[in-house]
Amino acid sequence: GAVVSQHPSRVICKSGTSVKIECRSLDFQATTMFWYRQFPKQSLMLMATSNEGSKATYEQGVEKDKFLINHASLTLSTLTVTSAHPEDSSFYICSASVQGAPGNQPQHFGDGTRLSIL
Amino acid sequence: KNEVEQSPQNLTAQEGEFITINCSYSVGISALHWLQQHPGGGIVSLFMLSSGKKKHGRLIATINIQEKHSSLHITASHPRDSAVYICAVNPTQLTFGTGTRLTIIP
Repeated sequence: GAVVSQHPSRVICKSGTSVKIECRSLDFQATTMFWYRQFPKQSLMLMATSNEGSKATYEQGVEKDKFLINHASLTLSTLTVTSAHPEDSSFYICSASVQGAPGNQPQHFGDGTRLSIL
Repeated sequence: KNEVEQSPQNLTAQEGEFITINCSYSVGISALHWLQQHPGGGIVSLFMLSSGKKKHGRLIATINIQEKHSSLHITASHPRDSAVYICAVNPTQLTFGTGTRLTIIP
């Protein structure tokens, strides 16, 4: 089945550091990738939709200058948390689909990245 | 905005029991997803369905579009089924329920 690889799985770093998270589709081409954030015991919240070759679409309340998304190829999207602060500590997870609206396509999720900012 | 509610929030059962998790949503959709989130955080897509019923191994998912309701059933539950089960619906972006934390005791 379709596999999405997300790295790193865990990051611990100091406040002010920028952190890059990679999301790769290993055996299929993902025209669309989605980045989610999840706080403890809460549901996933969509942060942005990443389309290959175009600018990401950010959800309301998500700072695009804070969370930089790049989708340079059909198999790779990156999320960079710039100048991270303790409030950015969370679980970040990506998903990918071949094409189309997210609800109408099977979603393939990465294993997530647990980010801890000291 | 589509509201997604799951019940129960937490469920503990003995190994072998039949498990039912429910999901209700507020507006029309074209597909509903059932996801399984493991303790480490990784998510596995179990089902995507738009009508009727789907079965995969010991897992069965049903949906009633008119009633805006779906159920996930697990037969002959096993400790390895312990996870958080999440319901998600469209129509444009996925809206997720808060999940049902299932614990199966040996």
